[in-house]
Amino acid sequence: EVQLVESGGGLVKPGGSLRLSCAASGFTFSSAWMSWARQVPGRGLEWVGRIKSSTAGGTTQYAAPVKGRFTISRDDSKSMLYLQMDSLKTEDTAVYYCTIQGWDSLPPLDSWGRGTLVTVSS
Amino acid sequence: DIVMTQTPLSSPVTLGQPASISCRSSESLLNSGGNTYLGWLQQRPGHPPRLLIYKISNRFSGVPDRFSGSGAGTDFTLKISRVEAEDVGVYYCMQATQFPYTFGQGTRLEIK
Repeated sequence: EVQLVESGGGLVKPGGSLRLSCAASGFTFSSAWMSWARQVPGRGLEWVGRIKSSTAGGTTQYAAPVKGRFTISRDDSKSMLYLQMDSLKTEDTAVYYCTIQGWDSLPPLDSWGRGTLVTVSS
Repeated sequence: DIVMTQTPLSSPVTLGQPASISCRSSESLLNSGGNTYLGWLQQRPGHPPRLLIYKISNRFSGVPDRFSGSGAGTDFTLKISRVEAEDVGVYYCMQATQFPYTFGQGTRLEIK
């Protein structure tokens, strides 16, 4: 069974930093393109960024609102995904989800963690 | 970025009756490889999103066959043949053809 478990959320002041972690299991993590998405409580979903598998170059892509402030990384030896968030703003307050979409995989793969809440407030 | 627009934003439905949600993208989701990466997600209250349909019309593992997807290009539809109480929640269309992936605003399905 695919499992994604996020941790590291909490309360941080504007301008501060936070590092989120995601523990993955139940699939071949090293081959997976992993993503982070977020959701302001009671609002819609927004993609944050993704990281390709190491064999595909391990490159990252970010949505415009977080580019230059957030960094996604991975440790394939531990099946862990990370989101380093710097220069946090109040508008970054949201539930952050670790997620995978492998719609071309056999069998197809898609999963979302339960999320971790990040609150940016003074 | 590709803009995804859903209608309606709220859908009160009687148990056992059908429901339909539309989604329109600001540009075609058909990629150069001939694939259309349009999916439908369900989010029940207090839960993370869950994939129902991927690549327009493919039901994901474990999804009941009362859910179906259709469409092409820029216009897509999710249909529920007979709504059950457990279907209450918010439904999102999502495109994964072009990064950043983007979502519709969400359609709240509620029971009359």
